[in-house]
Amino acid sequence: DVVMTQSPLSLPVTLGQSASISCRSSQSLVYSDGNTYLNWFQQRPGQSPRRLIYKVSNRDSGVPDRFSGSGSGTDFTLKISRVEAEDVGVYYCMQATHWPHTFGQGTKVEIK
Amino acid sequence: EVQLVESGGGLVKPGGSLRLSCAASGFTFSVAWMSWVRQAPGKGLEWVGRIKSKADGGTTDYTAPVKGRFTISRDDSKNTLYLQMNSLKTEDTAVYYCSRVGTTLSYWGQGALVTVSS
Repeated sequence: DVVMTQSPLSLPVTLGQSASISCRSSQSLVYSDGNTYLNWFQQRPGQSPRRLIYKVSNRDSGVPDRFSGSGSGTDFTLKISRVEAEDVGVYYCMQATHWPHTFGQGTKVEIK
Repeated sequence: EVQLVESGGGLVKPGGSLRLSCAASGFTFSVAWMSWVRQAPGKGLEWVGRIKSKADGGTTDYTAPVKGRFTISRDDSKNTLYLQMNSLKTEDTAVYYCSRVGTTLSYWGQGALVTVSS
């Protein structure tokens, strides 16, 4: 299985500041069709997961443009600009290139 | 509005069985590839398995920890997804989410808690 490794696992941030989460995969996430199926999910306390980003850098409908994704191959980053209180939660990267799909361990974002 | 509503969770003894259902609405269920994802208490997310649409073969795929014990099925006439869980272990205790995660869309249910304990 593809192992997804996130860092850091805990991320205290100041309101209004930026935050970055790294995600590395144990093998390339480039699919045979040329696409890279790397997603980012947000899970707020007590809620179901919500996808923020698909195919590395595309925002899902309704996701604020404060969230951005980048990367290629095996190295990816989620950036949250101007962190707001509602951004508190756990963020997961997830690869859907290889079966089984696998998630990173999660990064807990909290306000300092 | 898309809705995925899980039901059937509860407490079951080790070695027992349980069936979860997921009622879907707001989209054409018959063409959707559907999945189950679980989350043990205080832990991260883990893919359980998926079922393709009948047009794409209707086949299923499972992760290693549940292969041979869990079965995913669908009833397109009822817009319902199922997860039959047999030979349950304490480590299967988790919230089970029904989901449809496509390239450009992502829908999740509210989850059903399954507790395996004696």
